[in-house]
Amino acid sequence: ETGVTQTPRHLVMGMTNKKSLKCEQHLGHNAMYWYKQSAKKPLELMFVYSLEERVENNSVPSRFSPECPNSSHLFLHLHTLQPEDSALYLCASSQESGRLNIQYFGAGTRLSVL
Amino acid sequence: AQKVTQAQTEISVVEKEDVTLDCVYETRDTTYYLFWYKQPPSGELVFLIRRNSFDEQNEISGRYSWNFQKSTSSFNFTITASQVVDSAVYFCALSERSGPSNTGKLIFGQGTTLQVKP
Repeated sequence: ETGVTQTPRHLVMGMTNKKSLKCEQHLGHNAMYWYKQSAKKPLELMFVYSLEERVENNSVPSRFSPECPNSSHLFLHLHTLQPEDSALYLCASSQESGRLNIQYFGAGTRLSVL
Repeated sequence: AQKVTQAQTEISVVEKEDVTLDCVYETRDTTYYLFWYKQPPSGELVFLIRRNSFDEQNEISGRYSWNFQKSTSSFNFTITASQVVDSAVYFCALSERSGPSNTGKLIFGQGTTLQVKP
């Protein structure tokens, strides 16, 4: 148990569906992150939130929409996805958003877009 | 450009063998942080170690040890007397300042899949 919980663990959706991924951290951290892990590719940072404010958007398509209502919760809203968006989506949190901070990861949501 | 290279895609060893996972990085910053994470089949990345660029002391934690050499931009990871439970994907990562907000951005290598056979 890492203290970062992601739901659902698996998700299958069609290209016209709308779904949301949820992440919750129980570590009292102030920063949260979304990463994408595709087959044969390194993990890619998507978004960073610090104190509920988005501080980094790594050129992610608008069909991915993050939301951070408080420092413990992070969502990734998905709509009109493409098959190439199929991947493992990992959430992480850290004490602060600075570069020395250790990021703790959840187990991820395995997304398949049909 | 910042980059992390893990040249070994897959390594297979027999239990009790020692194994070293290589990591080479590129950065222009003088201050940076290096990390190793383990990703077992369950999916979550498990933090193993953080090292800052000013501390070149090698570190040992049980069967794990890390060799940081700034001169060759390498941060290698050795597992001594490997066990089946060590089977996982191991990622090396570099953290640098990103953007005006000074956000820490982790740049990951491709990962090395380690299989330890009984």
